[in-house]
Amino acid sequence: AQRVTQPEKLLSVFKGAPVELKCNYSYSGSPELFWYVQYSRQRLQLLLRHISRESIKGFTADLNKGETSFHLKKPFAQEEDSAMYYCALNGSGNTGKLIFGQGTTLQVKP
Amino acid sequence: NAGVTQTPKFQVLKTGQSMTLQCAQDMNHEYMSWYRQDPGMGLRLIHYSVGAGITDQGEVPNGYNVSRSTTEDFPLRLLSAAPSQTSVYFCASKIQGASYGYTFGSGTRLTVV
Repeated sequence: AQRVTQPEKLLSVFKGAPVELKCNYSYSGSPELFWYVQYSRQRLQLLLRHISRESIKGFTADLNKGETSFHLKKPFAQEEDSAMYYCALNGSGNTGKLIFGQGTTLQVKP
Repeated sequence: NAGVTQTPKFQVLKTGQSMTLQCAQDMNHEYMSWYRQDPGMGLRLIHYSVGAGITDQGEVPNGYNVSRSTTEDFPLRLLSAAPSQTSVYFCASKIQGASYGYTFGSGTRLTVV
């Protein structure tokens, strides 16, 4: 079964501190993993796809198949990074079925 | 492109009423999905579709129906609203291919009293 776990409901850091939002997944095949961000009362926006290995707004995420993790990192948090972050898994086989974690609220304090 | 458009933005229903949440996309995306967002539960998949005429159930399909008669539209029907269906509903679409992400609509905030 596909499952995504984000163990932290809330992560609070000070501006300029490093950030790591944790994501673990359960899937027997080759997963496609994503990070989405939702700013206050707005629609979800795609932040990162693991396949593209890109850095968006200073965030990066590396897929670790051994640890079944896809943690989101940023070396220096900014106040505008405060938002809800969701990790999501699309299993292989092109089903279109995207499963989300419970989400982590990132609060960056001045 | 307007992207993914959801209507209405807000709705209050009485228990037992039925209604349809509308979702339309103008990007010619094959895949469309409906999610509900509840505090502490994240986003849960209700129904999804990989093309016109093809739909399937997600994690929480009970109490909801969908149909996909065209590529553009994917309406979600609440058959007999219950307070447990109070939530924010998001529609999303994407092109075919597992590595592509979904584009989301702005959501419908539904309250069932």
